[in-house]
Amino acid sequence: ETGVTQSPTHLIKTRGQQVTLRCSSQSGHNTVSWYQQALGQGPQFIFQYYREEENGRGNFPPRFSGLQFPNYSSELNVNALELDDSALYLCASSLGAGFTDGEQYFGPGTRLTVT
Amino acid sequence: DAKTTQPPSMDCAEGRAANLPCNHSTISGNEYVYWYRQIHSQGPQYIIHGLKNNETNEMASLIITEDRKSSTLILPHATLRDTAVYYCIVRVAKKGTSGSRLTFGEGTQLTVNP
Repeated sequence: ETGVTQSPTHLIKTRGQQVTLRCSSQSGHNTVSWYQQALGQGPQFIFQYYREEENGRGNFPPRFSGLQFPNYSSELNVNALELDDSALYLCASSLGAGFTDGEQYFGPGTRLTVT
Repeated sequence: DAKTTQPPSMDCAEGRAANLPCNHSTISGNEYVYWYRQIHSQGPQYIIHGLKNNETNEMASLIITEDRKSSTLILPHATLRDTAVYYCIVRVAKKGTSGSRLTFGEGTQLTVNP
């Protein structure tokens, strides 16, 4: 157990809809990263938040956005869902940004299916 | 971050040591080697990391060659629960680095057989 939780576990949405995924970080961790994992591939970095501000972004369009809250929770929002957004979405919490955050603790993920 | 190369799959007998290789020939002096694993349908799990010295923890040992161009993750007594995809990642560890991330490749599927 990593102490990182995600909700919901599974979600089915229709193309064009919007979705919000939630993550609760390990207590005291001030950094959260979000990853997208398509079937059969390794996780791909979406973005990272450090002390409630975006601290870097991967190659994902602006319709992927996020928020981090002072209570160690965070959200990933995806607008205008596309079929290719179907994937496992993982959040990972860590302490510090850059130096110590190579040790990231992952949640179990949210499986999103877009039909 | 430097690119890594891992074999796509490996088998190991239960109770034996599993030795998972990783090639990172373009690694820079300030890049660490990290290992994660992902058991089916779960999130990745941090295992160990190192810079140039060998490292050991309760899960595994990490052996990094002197030239740092390759490393080996050793699970000393593999169990069925160690069946997973193992990812070798190299990344800069620098305070305040913007956009710090883990870049996952395809990893090695380790299957531990009874």
